Amino acid sequence: GDSVTQMEGPVTLSEEACLTINCTYTATGYPSLFWYVQYPGEGLQLLLKATKADDKGSNKGFEATYRKETTSFHLEKGSVQVSDSAVYFCALFDYNTDKLIFGTGTRLQVFP
Amino acid sequence: NAGVTQTPKFRVLKTGQSMTLLCAQDMNHEYMYWYRQDPGMGLRLIHYSVGEGTTAKGEVPDGYNVSRLKKQNFLLGLESAAPSQTSVYFCASSLSTEAFFGQGTRLTVV
Repeated sequence: GDSVTQMEGPVTLSEEACLTINCTYTATGYPSLFWYVQYPGEGLQLLLKATKADDKGSNKGFEATYRKETTSFHLEKGSVQVSDSAVYFCALFDYNTDKLIFGTGTRLQVFP
Repeated sequence: NAGVTQTPKFRVLKTGQSMTLLCAQDMNHEYMYWYRQDPGMGLRLIHYSVGEGTTAKGEVPDGYNVSRLKKQNFLLGLESAAPSQTSVYFCASSLSTEAFFGQGTRLTVV
């Protein structure tokens, strides 16, 4: 079945450091891929998405590229801020099953 | 502009009790989902619906039932609560692939 695998956290960085959170997936067909962010005490919010191979999603300085050959969708940011501290979830939507499947989440902690 | 609303926000149940969690969306979305969030487990799909009157099992459906009698509402039922169902439950709705989430329901079963 479909699955999403993320690197375990927490990821601890100093402000202005570079961020990479790895995400790989297993799915039938050609899913759409997403990164969601969850701030403390809140529900998830869509951060960015990509719907086909080689697409790059970007938002708020974050970006991720849909790599079909490596089945990956790694999240990157060149310079993180304290306000980026949150839990980040990689997800896929499988058009064959209509399921929206999430990874386990990666907690990011950014210190000043 | 309510979006996705979950009720209740908190609940404590005794083992064996039943309850229903309500999810309501005002965006006319076809797809609705119920997830549970547990430490180290991420979000796991319980049940989902692709339209009014339809439901389907997700990854962890045992112990839960759902109904989608109206397009805007998706109900999650626990017939006989167990401590293993202590979790935070999230509902989401989507029109195509972008999902919108409720604020969550924290359920504790003692």
